Amino acid sequence: QQQVKQSPQSLIVQKGGISIINCAYENTAFDYFPWYQQFPGKGPALLIAIRPDVSEKKEGRFTISFNKSAKQFSLHIMDSQPGDSATYFCAASIGGSQENLIFGKGTKLSVKP
Amino acid sequence: EAQVTQNPRYLITVTGKKLTVTCSQNMNHEYMSWYRQDPGLGLRQIYYSMNVEVTDKGDVPEGYKVSRKEKRNFPLILESPSPNQTSLYFCASSVLPGGWGELFFGEGSRLTVL
Repeated sequence: QQQVKQSPQSLIVQKGGISIINCAYENTAFDYFPWYQQFPGKGPALLIAIRPDVSEKKEGRFTISFNKSAKQFSLHIMDSQPGDSATYFCAASIGGSQENLIFGKGTKLSVKP
Repeated sequence: EAQVTQNPRYLITVTGKKLTVTCSQNMNHEYMSWYRQDPGLGLRQIYYSMNVEVTDKGDVPEGYKVSRKEKRNFPLILESPSPNQTSLYFCASSVLPGGWGELFFGEGSRLTVL
């Protein structure tokens, strides 16, 4: 029940296309859903996060969509660029608790020029 | 500059030779954690610490030790490394334990055990 399932494991998108990464969770107590971005040779860094009181959050070309009833959330990257090529991790936790962040297994995104 | 610093960044060692990977943060964060990253397995938590002298096991603690004697430092100790500990290791810190706190990661330490 503590797992976060992420798909796909890898994704190839053409420049200008839309990249979509999906995550699903079981624990209904989760109420904080961040996405981390990791470039080769670097540590992950927080990209964008959402709480379940909203169904969508947008920051520039990056959008999180959240479906509470389906227990799913997804990251959409609009107008994908080669500079977006990275590994993306979704995560979930119980906000305000001392429970650790639970990470998905990651999606390696390659954006082709 | 706010950062999490790990050393060494790269290390090749042999089975059984004790090693320590250091981690230091300059953000006065209470929460610190160690992860290992392996292809197809994502980020798996090894140990974490809520505060000084408070440490706890994560998902894959076997073969590792940690200590938290100072707030800024959280070293990872491999008493007797084995080849299955060959991995990319990340230290992370956060102002809040667990949920809601942004995790700040170091740049990673790539360890090879022969």
